[in-house]
Formats: sequence, C-alpha cells, structure tokens
Amino acid sequence: QKEVEQNSGPLSVPEGAIASLNCTYSDRGSQSFFWYRQYSGKSPELIMFIYSNGDKEDGRFTAQLNKASQYVSLLIRDSQPSDSATYLCAVISNRGSTLGRLYFGRGTQLTVWP
Amino acid sequence: GAGVSQSPSNKVTEKGKDVELRCDPISGHTALYWYRQSLGQGLEFLIYFQGNSAPDKSGLPSDRFSAERTGGSVSTLTIQRTQQEDSAVYLCASSSRGTSGDTQYFGPGTRLTVL
Repeated sequence: QKEVEQNSGPLSVPEGAIASLNCTYSDRGSQSFFWYRQYSGKSPELIMFIYSNGDKEDGRFTAQLNKASQYVSLLIRDSQPSDSATYLCAVISNRGSTLGRLYFGRGTQLTVWP
Repeated sequence: GAGVSQSPSNKVTEKGKDVELRCDPISGHTALYWYRQSLGQGLEFLIYFQGNSAPDKSGLPSDRFSAERTGGSVSTLTIQRTQQEDSAVYLCASSSRGTSGDTQYFGPGTRLTVL
C-alpha cells in the first residue's frame, strides 16, 4: 500500500468553478499534511499546510483534514487558468526511523479551461 | 540565501561518468532532503540530513549514489557510473528543524540526462 494516494486525474474544470482534489494516507500517526503545486518543468511550491482536523482557508484555497478517515483534500474556489498545474499531496512521516520524511502522492493534474 | 539553490540547473552526461549535484539550503535550516522526480513519476525520497549527519539514507537506490553535507550547509549528491535510468530531476529541499510539521521548501532542481 502506498503511503499517500491521490487521484491522478487529469481533472478538468471550467474557469470560475470549484476544483476538488483528494488524498488519502496510510500512516494513522501522521500529523502534518501539505499541498504543493507544481507547474510543468518547475519545482514544487507550497500552497498550504494543515495539522488539525477541519478546514483551513487561505484566499481561494481551502484544505480539509479528517484524521479519522485518513483523508485530506484541497478545494480551489473560483478556479483560474493560472491554477492549471499538478497538485501534490504530501504527508510527513511520524515514525521514528523516517521522522520528518515527506511522502508524496503521485499528484493530480488540474486543467482550468477558460 | 533567500531560497534553496541548486547547481547545475541542467547536466548532460554520458553513461558511466560520475556526476555531482549541489544544493545550498536556506540559511539557518538544519534539515536538508534530496528527492528525485522521473518523467511522469512522483517525487521519490533519497536521503535526509540533520546537520551533517544522515539519519535516513534508506531512499538511495543503489550504492552508486552517495551524499554528504558539510558545515551544516551545502550538500552534494554524487552519482557514480551513471546509468540511463538515473535520468531525472533531482530536487533538494530544506526545513528549519526537520521535525514533523516542518515545512520543506524546494530548490529549482537539477535536470540530469544520461545519454
């Protein structure tokens, strides 16, 4: 079982719509969750992190965490063509031997069409 | 520095040659990570440094790969006798302490092509 699973997509939404990106993780002890955005040919850039159950909002982005279900999601409201990128879900290992290691999902490719 | 820097940005080499990739983390960050991303693949963890020591090097794919970090700052990833399957983008990241919850910031990467 992979540590972090994401729908690989591609996900295509029209401009102005809500894009919903989902991620599940296997390590129940994980405490820290991250969403990175990666444009083609570029390195990942951090969008949001979330540590507590519930929602965390930052502008058009909302991260949602449900530790009981081992599920984390990212909602992008009012999607723009500039949001078109691959979104990577990442979970930090809480295990002694791999403490601090980021486990990444394979990423979900999002296309926002005008 | 303002961000994580890596050099070279691109490296083309012939099969069997050795290569060195360099990472300069954000000033003051004690934790440094190397990942690689192959075409169409996810990010694969290679090695993690806390200061100059590497408590987790379990991701190194073979003994041809090695890494060191000196002065708690710059790190070098060395690939000996390169193979075509080593072609990938090698990404370095740093975080302030390396503990669970620490945000990792990525450098621009080095694109390695082995002919």
